[in-house]
Amino acid sequence: GAGVSQSPSNKVTEKGKDVELRCDPISGHTALYWYRQSLGQGLEFLIYFQGNSAPDKSGLPSDRFSAERTGGSVSTLTIQRTQQEDSAVYLCASSLQSGRAYEQYFGPGTRLTVT
Amino acid sequence: DAKTTQPNSMESNEEEPVHLPCNHSTISGTDYIHWYRQLPSQGPEYVIHGLTSNVNNRMASLAIAEDRKSSTLILHRATLRDAAVYYCITSGTYKYIFGTGTRLKVLA
Repeated sequence: GAGVSQSPSNKVTEKGKDVELRCDPISGHTALYWYRQSLGQGLEFLIYFQGNSAPDKSGLPSDRFSAERTGGSVSTLTIQRTQQEDSAVYLCASSLQSGRAYEQYFGPGTRLTVT
Repeated sequence: DAKTTQPNSMESNEEEPVHLPCNHSTISGTDYIHWYRQLPSQGPEYVIHGLTSNVNNRMASLAIAEDRKSSTLILHRATLRDAAVYYCITSGTYKYIFGTGTRLKVLA
């Protein structure tokens, strides 16, 4: 079956521009997660959705970052006024339900480069 | 969530077993132990998870110490396709804290 997909796969943008990153989770998965991975680093948790609501936004680095999920499916991560330190690979994952026992399925990521 | 400690890198010969260790001395009683791996230019991939008992699946085995303060991921016969960064995560919730993992190099 189809896995988690993300678009675009690569995005180059100028400092100060806004960007939108999209995630299509596995059909039927109620939980969705965004992570960020800087070069040579582990993954950094950003935000978690259960259905369309985001009970945990604690990982968003600043108020320039926001995310939404509609229809319990597609999610968009928006970064406003991008900065060079936002350059990273943004990964989305989904799981059947939230909780410590459910495996997370990851997409291939969007590589964001801010010039 | 408990912090995990893994070696930065390991090497193995092809077709030989690999034992990847992880220390999680501050794990709480309800935390699961998860292992993911990340191949170059890909997102992490689930490998295995467990709570107290050893676990086996088609990819690997997970051996959990009796006191749960450490665990070992066992790849029974390493192949070149197993070269990846392996992450050990302990979590009581959905929030995974990924460290820098163990980079496994498989030698032909």
